Amino acid sequence: KNEVEQSPQNLTAQEGEFITINCSYSVGISALHWLQQHPGGGIVSLFMLSSGKKKHGRLIATINIQEKHSSLHITASHPRDSAVYICAARERRRSGGGADGLTFGKGTHLIIQP
Amino acid sequence: DARVTQTPRHKVTEMGQEVTMRCQPILGHNTVFWYRQTMMQGLELLAYFRNRAPLDDSGMPKDRFSAEMPDATLATLKIQPSEPRDSAVYFCASGLEFEGTPEAFFGQGTRLTVV
Repeated sequence: KNEVEQSPQNLTAQEGEFITINCSYSVGISALHWLQQHPGGGIVSLFMLSSGKKKHGRLIATINIQEKHSSLHITASHPRDSAVYICAARERRRSGGGADGLTFGKGTHLIIQP
Repeated sequence: DARVTQTPRHKVTEMGQEVTMRCQPILGHNTVFWYRQTMMQGLELLAYFRNRAPLDDSGMPKDRFSAEMPDATLATLKIQPSEPRDSAVYFCASGLEFEGTPEAFFGQGTRLTVV
């Protein structure tokens, strides 16, 4: 069973700070997702990655397959970045066909203060 | 503006009643996911469809939950009979997958309260 751990659980930072959220998982995966859930509850898919690094605006996601670890970075953080960030690991199943299992972390609650 | 549409947004029902949640995926997407989010468990994957065929519903309690895609524009999640522990926010997401794993676009969710 894949275990997905996120750290920190809660993070409060000042506007402009560089933010790092970590995600580690325990089994081989085919992809890792980073999701953002806003205070109103809406969920946005930020990244899906299976190797290396992706960048979108001020957000950067990296993954190290050997170490079973991914990080989400936010540069020049802003109060509107305040949200819960969730990583989800898609487990690679050995049997052919079917869907790969998806396991979610508990989320990191980020607050950016002005 | 393409988006995943879920109805209803809120539902309050009595224990034992049937609940049906609907999802209209983004036109052209070939994968649909149903997720449930609670304070205790966080997000959980309930079911996953590709090209309208159910690929994985191992996260769904089979005795009372059922998920279907009667056509490419509609996915449904039914609970019969509903129980208070089913109270949660249910999200639908759709994506486009040819090979490998898809990115997913989420609906606004259906907040279900079973009393």
